[in-house]
Amino acid sequence: AQSVSQHNHHVILSEAASLELGCNYSYGGTVNLFWYVQYPGQHLQLLLKYFSGDPLVKGIKGFEAEFIKSKFSFNLRKPSVQWSDTAEYFCAARSYNTDKLIFGTGTRLQVFP
Amino acid sequence: DAGVIQSPRHEVTEMGQEVTLRCKPISGHDYLFWYRQTMMRGLELLIYFNNNVPIDDSGMPEDRFSAKMPNASFSTLKIQPSEPRDSAVYFCASSSRPGQGGVETQYFGPGTRLLVL
Repeated sequence: AQSVSQHNHHVILSEAASLELGCNYSYGGTVNLFWYVQYPGQHLQLLLKYFSGDPLVKGIKGFEAEFIKSKFSFNLRKPSVQWSDTAEYFCAARSYNTDKLIFGTGTRLQVFP
Repeated sequence: DAGVIQSPRHEVTEMGQEVTLRCKPISGHDYLFWYRQTMMRGLELLIYFNNNVPIDDSGMPEDRFSAKMPNASFSTLKIQPSEPRDSAVYFCASSSRPGQGGVETQYFGPGTRLLVL
């Protein structure tokens, strides 16, 4: 079955530390990939997305993600996190021939000043 | 654009009662998705519609759950009878399918936080 795996369930960092959250997907064909963020008490918001072209995708708030097809990965990165980045981060994938997004279980990020 | 609108934002009810959650998608979007989010199971897709027609309801947990989309601007998710294990945050999302080569982005509503006592 198609699936998305996020192996980091809970990440704790100090401000200015670098961040990398892992995401792996199980689709074999063309795939669209997304990272969503959910701030405390709020709904999911799109951070960035990949569908084709440059495998390094820039998103909002200084986030970026790199699509590595050979590793079936789409890891999220930020060089220097801020306290306001405290949130839950969800990776999602959609096989090109379906309409459904499959979400990972999420990674809770806590950033301390 | 007001985005995806959901109501109510919070619902507290007693076990056995009927619960109806409402969603208004973004105007022009022809896909609508209902998700449930819990600590134990994360974010689960319950059902989705395309052009008001249910396409995949394989995520609906059981017959107590039903969803309708009578027109392009309104959908309901109903739980009858409700049980404590239905307590969760229910999100509605909508999207359009752009032209060939485009990407579908789902836009989420603020969610309905349901507590069944």
